[in-house]
Amino acid sequence: TQLLEQSPQFLSIQEGENLTVYCNSSSVFSSLQWYRQEPGEGPVLLVTVVTGGEVKKLKRLTFQFGDARKDSSLHITAAQPGDTGLYLCAGGTYKYIFGTGTRLKVLA
Amino acid sequence: EAGVVQSPRYKIIEKKQPVAFWCNPISGHNTLYWYLQNLGQGPELLIRYENEEAVDDSQLPKDRFSAERLKGVDSTLKIQPAELGDSAVYLCASSPGRRGGDTQYFGPGTRLTVL
Repeated sequence: TQLLEQSPQFLSIQEGENLTVYCNSSSVFSSLQWYRQEPGEGPVLLVTVVTGGEVKKLKRLTFQFGDARKDSSLHITAAQPGDTGLYLCAGGTYKYIFGTGTRLKVLA
Repeated sequence: EAGVVQSPRYKIIEKKQPVAFWCNPISGHNTLYWYLQNLGQGPELLIRYENEEAVDDSQLPKDRFSAERLKGVDSTLKIQPAELGDSAVYLCASSPGRRGGDTQYFGPGTRLTVL
């Protein structure tokens, strides 16, 4: 059974700080996706990483797929209050699953 | 283009009562998903449809949950009878193609509270 463990579970930081969220598995994934979910809304896709070692940037967000395609990270530079939300990684070869989630709160 | 529409947005019921949720996917999307999401956790798949066929319902508690997708468009998810542990957000998502890896577009969810 494929599992996606995210860390940290909760993160509260001040505006302007940097942070990294991790998504780990013991299984190989053909691709991983990252979503952000705001209160009262469904998850919204941010990015898909496919190739081992791949790095993708989305403004202040940097996503990396591990060389072995078992893990991924999301780095946010100079966090802003608008980055507040639940961050989810997801993927699956035979069954699509979501990670355990990281709840981020950025304080102004 | 309209996104995935779900109704109701909120529902409060007493345990043992029935409840139904409705989802209208994005026009032209063949694949439809129902997820359950507990507070602060990732969504868990309940059932996936390809057109009108349920192709993955292995995680659906069939003793009390049922779903249908008539004509391969709208879908309803029903719980009868509801239990306290069913309190959660029920998310519907749709994607264009048959492959499970296609980008999923989520609705806002229905927040169910069972008293």
